[in-house]
Amino acid sequence: QSALTQPPSASGSPGQSVTISCTGTSSDVGGYKYVSWYQQHPGKEPKLIIYEVSKRPSGVPDRFSGSKSDNTAFLTVSGLQAEDEADYYCCSYTRSDTFVFGTGTKVIVL
Amino acid sequence: EEQVVESGGGLVQPGASLTLSCAASGFRIEYYWMYWVRQAPGEGPVWVSRMNGDGSSMAYADSVRGRFTISRDNAHNMVYLQMTSLRVEDTAVYYCARELGGAMHQWGRGTLITVSS
Repeated sequence: QSALTQPPSASGSPGQSVTISCTGTSSDVGGYKYVSWYQQHPGKEPKLIIYEVSKRPSGVPDRFSGSKSDNTAFLTVSGLQAEDEADYYCCSYTRSDTFVFGTGTKVIVL
Repeated sequence: EEQVVESGGGLVQPGASLTLSCAASGFRIEYYWMYWVRQAPGEGPVWVSRMNGDGSSMAYADSVRGRFTISRDNAHNMVYLQMTSLRVEDTAVYYCARELGGAMHQWGRGTLITVSS
């Protein structure tokens, strides 16, 4: 199972929006609603910020939103804040009853 | 407060065996799928295994199938990962996580496994 494809980096100024893509296949992203996104700051564990494509766990700001189109999922961070600078990973359930993570995107707040 | 705490990591030689533990508190694991995920230094997370609430269903990544075994003790709110025939490429921080909507929620701080001769 190959990793889902994400851009290596994305950037924006405070207050702006940034959107990260996560491209898979019909056997993972395109075939299931179980797409999730994780935020990871250096030296910390990943934190779930989006599950089932577009749902937010309790406590996650509504600045974070998710969507999906065909085999590509998207994470949008609106109103960028300094603390949003981190690595972001997508993840999808697959046809093989496994999960596959994305390659990761470093978000830089300019 | 809901949390999980992993333990059991350390330095081992290739071919060795090791069992990781995950102690959950603040929630009952019997109601949740539980996951193991690993992350090699400087790399992204990689899903390893998951098991359902009553232990009747489990799944593994191709890279560990046949070498790793996930198990749970619902009475003691514990999840385990038995690892055998360890390889250098198994070196990583191993995380335990609780399921939420088909995703990994409530991650622990992880435990580091280093496989080296």
